[in-house]
Amino acid sequence: AQSVAQPEDQVNVAEGNPLTVKCTYSVSGNPYLFWYVQYPNRGLQFLLKYITGDNLVKGSYGFEAEFNKSQTSFHLKKPSALVSDSALYFCAVRDGGSSNTGKLIFGQGTTLQVKP
Amino acid sequence: EAQVTQNPRYLITVTGKKLTVTCSQNMNHEYMSWYRQDPGLGLRQIYYSMNVEVTDKGDVPEGYKVSRKEKRNFPLILESPSPNQTSLYFCASKVKGLSSYEQYFGPGTRLTVT
Repeated sequence: AQSVAQPEDQVNVAEGNPLTVKCTYSVSGNPYLFWYVQYPNRGLQFLLKYITGDNLVKGSYGFEAEFNKSQTSFHLKKPSALVSDSALYFCAVRDGGSSNTGKLIFGQGTTLQVKP
Repeated sequence: EAQVTQNPRYLITVTGKKLTVTCSQNMNHEYMSWYRQDPGLGLRQIYYSMNVEVTDKGDVPEGYKVSRKEKRNFPLILESPSPNQTSLYFCASKVKGLSSYEQYFGPGTRLTVT
């Protein structure tokens, strides 16, 4: 079965420092991977995706993610964190097993706390 | 502005009282979906719709109904809500097709069933 794991419930980082939010996945075929961010009282916003091609993908707000097939990971990164990056982050994988259902399988979410 | 809207945003109700959460999108998307978000579980799909009059169950459909009579609207119906349906609900939409990846989410509806 397809699954996504985010091993950290919360990540704390000081403003200006690099940040990493971890994600590992399990899929039967080629993974389509996504990161979404949820700010308080808001819906999920798309950050970036990996479908094919370069292992390092760049997204919105200065975020990037590195796809590592051998480690089945898709960690979210940012070189210099901002206080405004504090939010709940979800990793998701496209359900390829059901072809065109469009279903996203989400991880549990990781709260990012950036302190001034 | 391209968006997905949901109403109401917050709802407190009692067990057994039928309710409907509306979802509407203005992007002419064929695909729409409902998710529920629970702490420690992420988002789980309830129902989805590939187009008008075409709906199917997701991972957690029990206790829910949907309808898709118009392309822009995809209401979620709880015929007899129970406390275990207390959750944060999100509607999402996207263009149909394998080559379309980004889903657009509504702001969420926080439902409490007492």
